[in-house]
Amino acid sequence: DAKTTQPNSMESNEEEPVHLPCNHSTISGTDYIHWYRQLPSQGPEYVIHGLTSNVNNRMASLAIAEDRKSSTLILHRATLRDAAVYYCILRAHNNAGNMLTFGGGTRLMVKP
Amino acid sequence: NAGVTQTPKFRILKIGQSMTLQCTQDMNHNYMYWYRQDPGMGLKLIYYSVGAGITDKGEVPNGYNVSRSTTEDFPLRLELAAPSQTSVYFCASRPGTGASNQPQHFGDGTRLSIL
Repeated sequence: DAKTTQPNSMESNEEEPVHLPCNHSTISGTDYIHWYRQLPSQGPEYVIHGLTSNVNNRMASLAIAEDRKSSTLILHRATLRDAAVYYCILRAHNNAGNMLTFGGGTRLMVKP
Repeated sequence: NAGVTQTPKFRILKIGQSMTLQCTQDMNHNYMYWYRQDPGMGLKLIYYSVGAGITDKGEVPNGYNVSRSTTEDFPLRLELAAPSQTSVYFCASRPGTGASNQPQHFGDGTRLSIL
């Protein structure tokens, strides 16, 4: 699977929007962009995924650049509970085992 | 609905001991996975299974063994514990076939220390 690059950490104020960037310049045409997050002392949890179009769900929005070489996870109103490590992961379409390759992620800190 | 359940939550082993980390899921998922996470790092895949009776190696399989005799259970075995295997171990499962984008569901992890 292609590599992703994320900032090590970011800070946000509570109730403000947060934009978490991810660069994936070597993405192939059939790679899906997945986001997971890991709250302290818990296993990762799925947030959102997309291929080309922007996606919205109850947790977040995913904005994908037109050339697909970058994407941004948007939390519309950060809460203290959103403090976590956020992982941007590319999943190849022909990845029969649906394996996920985790990088270092972005540690999001939310200030009250 | 319990989801993915891992036991034990914590364990301390002596070098050279063996143990089995248990993982069970009640969602009838075909795919199951074992990951390890070292401090401050992302998860690394140890083994995975695409269905009962089928297992395959991930990125870091050395020192571990798995079996998948039922859909529900996917135990991870450490035969000769070494300090390098001190880590947090996560089990995950997902439904569907290989090409789908169904998300993985993770357990809460087993913290293992080897002294």
